[in-house]
Amino acid sequence: AQTVTQSQPEMSVQEAETVTLSCTYDTSENNYYLFWYKQPPSRQMILVIRQEAYKQQNATENRFSVNFQKAAKSFSLKISDSQLGDTAMYFCAFMKLLNSNSGYALNFGKGTSLLVTP
Amino acid sequence: NAGVTQTPKFQVLKTGQSMTLQCAQDMNHEYMSWYRQDPGMGLRLIHYSVGAGITDQGEVPNGYNVSRSTTEDFPLRLLSAAPSQTSVYFCASLDRNIQYFGAGTRLSVL
Repeated sequence: AQTVTQSQPEMSVQEAETVTLSCTYDTSENNYYLFWYKQPPSRQMILVIRQEAYKQQNATENRFSVNFQKAAKSFSLKISDSQLGDTAMYFCAFMKLLNSNSGYALNFGKGTSLLVTP
Repeated sequence: NAGVTQTPKFQVLKTGQSMTLQCAQDMNHEYMSWYRQDPGMGLRLIHYSVGAGITDQGEVPNGYNVSRSTTEDFPLRLLSAAPSQTSVYFCASLDRNIQYFGAGTRLSVL
């Protein structure tokens, strides 16, 4: 079974600073996808960034980047130049194949609550 | 472009009542799924569908039924609500390995 662990329940960062959120996962699969989702107080689940396991290059989306270490099964999210609007719950997720019917599902960590302060 | 639409946004039920949470998507995605989110936890998969007429159970299916008569709609039914089903429910569709989520339904069962 795949599990996703986010070891930091809460984090805080000052505006304009950089913060890194940790995520580790456990799988025996070789090909998979990893995601970071943001959930603001509105509770909408917003995709921040995704990484294909077969790609060695770390994904980047504007101020958001990941450090993907496949051998270590680590997938951390770095937020640069933090903004007040980045305050949210952040979830790391692993996409797994459920069965031969091509059923896929996301397996989520418990989340990290990030607070950006002025 | 509406994306994934869930109704209602909020609902309060009494134990034993039944109801249907609606989910519709206008992106012609074959794959749809339902998740629940409880406090301090990430989302957990309830049921999913890989296309019209095909559904299967996820991680926490007990107490829920689904059907998929069209590509667009994927309703979730609670036949006899229980307090343990108090949660926030998310519907999602999948395309090119990216899941798109609805805004969620907050359900309270008293």
